[in-house]
Parts: sequence; structure tokens; C-alpha cells
Amino acid sequence: EAGVTQFPSHSVIEKGQTVTLRCDPISGHDNLYWYRRVMGKEIKFLLHFVKESKQDESGMPNNRFLAERTGGTYSTLKVQPAELEDSGVYFCASSHIWGFETQYFGPGTRLLVL
Amino acid sequence: GQQLNQSPQSMFIQEGEDVSMNCTSSSIFNTWLWYKQEPGEGPVLLIALYKAGELTSNGRLTAQFGITRKDSFLNISASIPSDVGIYFCAGGNTGTYKYIFGTGTRLKVLA
Repeated sequence: EAGVTQFPSHSVIEKGQTVTLRCDPISGHDNLYWYRRVMGKEIKFLLHFVKESKQDESGMPNNRFLAERTGGTYSTLKVQPAELEDSGVYFCASSHIWGFETQYFGPGTRLLVL
Repeated sequence: GQQLNQSPQSMFIQEGEDVSMNCTSSSIFNTWLWYKQEPGEGPVLLIALYKAGELTSNGRLTAQFGITRKDSFLNISASIPSDVGIYFCAGGNTGTYKYIFGTGTRLKVLA
């Protein structure tokens, strides 16, 4: 069974540019989560999808962040325009609808905003 | 908001030594999780705890759900070089789908 995949693995952009991160969850997992870890800090929840619906987006930092999950399969997280403080590792995780505690994480996208 | 204090922040130990780390919170959780992240990878679930006082093992790893429900502990016995990584605790409550993570304990094992 393929795990959660994320693309790109690394991204270096300049302040003011736009970046789109992609996450492909494990096939059949209805729950999809985005998290972010700023260097040395905790992994912070950003938002949660159940299928294509946003269940909880309370962790999204501001309106420069837009997450979508059209069709309930893969998800994208767009940052526009990027700021320096957006740098960090963005993790995606997915879980089966009945096993929410077993969240399987992707390898993350390392974003550096210069 | 809710925060988890995880300690120590980092540890350098000799191969074969035992390791202890803990996580404390000002809030009560009914689920505690321990994850390990290796370089270039995402966190992988090691142990899940669901009941206060519960002690659960996974090989050389043992984790406990504190009686107060505000803390959890992870022990690694007889460490080996592949134990290297960052260990995260996470607390959550059934039905919220959202976990609060600690800041991580970076473990380095010297052969």
C-alpha cells in the first residue's frame, strides 16, 4: 500500500511569490490533515478535510493560505503571497474514517521563503 | 491555546543506555500519542494510549498515560543507533480529530 506522498519535497521562493503544495493521501482515507512545523517548534495543526469538505480550519494562520481538496482525493495548500514567517516543514497526514488517531504522515515539504 | 511542554529538547546518549522523555500539559487529554520522525521522513506513530494510567509497550519502547491525564512518558531501553530521530508527543480528545503536538525531543545515539 502506497503511503502519503507530498510534492515538492523542497521549495525555495522569494517573499511575495506563490507556492502550491500537493498531498496525495493513502487511497481510501477520507480524513486528510495539514500540519506545519516551524524550525524547533511544535507540529501545528492547520486544517482537516473529511472527503472534500473542510471540517476544521481553525489552525490556518491567515487568508494567505488556501487549502482545497476537490473530489475528495488529493489536496493542495497554496500560500499567496508568501512571507518569511511561512518558512517551515508542511506535513500532510491521512487517516481512515474509523481510525482517526492513526494518522499516517507524509514526508513533508520543506518551504523556505527568502 | 493548548500547549504541550516536551522535555528534554535534545539528548545525546551512548548506545545501550536507557532513555526517558516526557510531555506535560495544562489541559486534560483522553488520548496520548508518541511519534518518531527520522531525517527526511514524516512522523511515524509508535504508541497510542487511551486510558489514564495505561502502560503500553512496543518492543523496546514503553509509554505511559499519566494518571492526571495531563502528562505522558516514553522510555526507550537499550538504545541503538537507529533510535536516532525526533520524538513527538501528541495529545488529543476523541471526536476532535485534532492533535496538539509537543516541540519534540531530538535523540542522538553515539555508537
